[in-house]
Amino acid sequence: NAGVTQTPKFRVLKTGQSMTLLCAQDMNHEYMYWYRQDPGMGLRLIHYSVGEGTTAKGEVPDGYNVSRLKKQNFLLGLESAAPSQTSVYFCASSYDSDPYNEQFFGPGTRLTVL
Amino acid sequence: GDSVTQMEGPVTLSEEAFLTINCTYTATGYPSLFWYVQYPGEGLQLLLKATKADDKGSNKGFEATYRKETTSFHLEKGSVQVSDSAVYFCALRTISSYGKLTFGQGTILTVHP
Repeated sequence: NAGVTQTPKFRVLKTGQSMTLLCAQDMNHEYMYWYRQDPGMGLRLIHYSVGEGTTAKGEVPDGYNVSRLKKQNFLLGLESAAPSQTSVYFCASSYDSDPYNEQFFGPGTRLTVL
Repeated sequence: GDSVTQMEGPVTLSEEAFLTINCTYTATGYPSLFWYVQYPGEGLQLLLKATKADDKGSNKGFEATYRKETTSFHLEKGSVQVSDSAVYFCALRTISSYGKLTFGQGTILTVHP
């Protein structure tokens, strides 16, 4: 089992460019999440999904869109990148929303927007 | 809303020193509590967890006890090693939060030989 994987690992964009981050999990998890990590702020939830075909906004959704067309994949899109979106992005998944259950994280994508 | 507050960092210790990283929380429901660790250049890994009051989570020599009366979940280790150098995140999850984790700001730990 690969667990949670993310592509790409690193990316540099110019302001206004677009890109898509891909997250894949092979654990048959229903729930998937996108977080961003910024210094001194911990991780903050961008969007999440409770199953195939569903998406919902988290704490900091502005400037991002997501899609969950297949259960194993969760895509995060930036339509017009801004320097404020420079961050490390983590994808996570869990079997359900039960607080007893672990959430598994991917290795992260480091994005720089110039 | 839910929130987690961790002690200010960074923390620098010598090998074999005692470690405490404070964590307090506020939550609207009855949360489960977690400590995650992030080693340099890697993603987050679950270090330990506790799901009800007075539970003690432990792993790799680290311990944390769920204290409902003080809304705390402090991380401790009796003798740190250089390999423990990492960023440590306290987090909570409640049944009403769609499974999302609420994180503290993270504490950078550096252990010198």
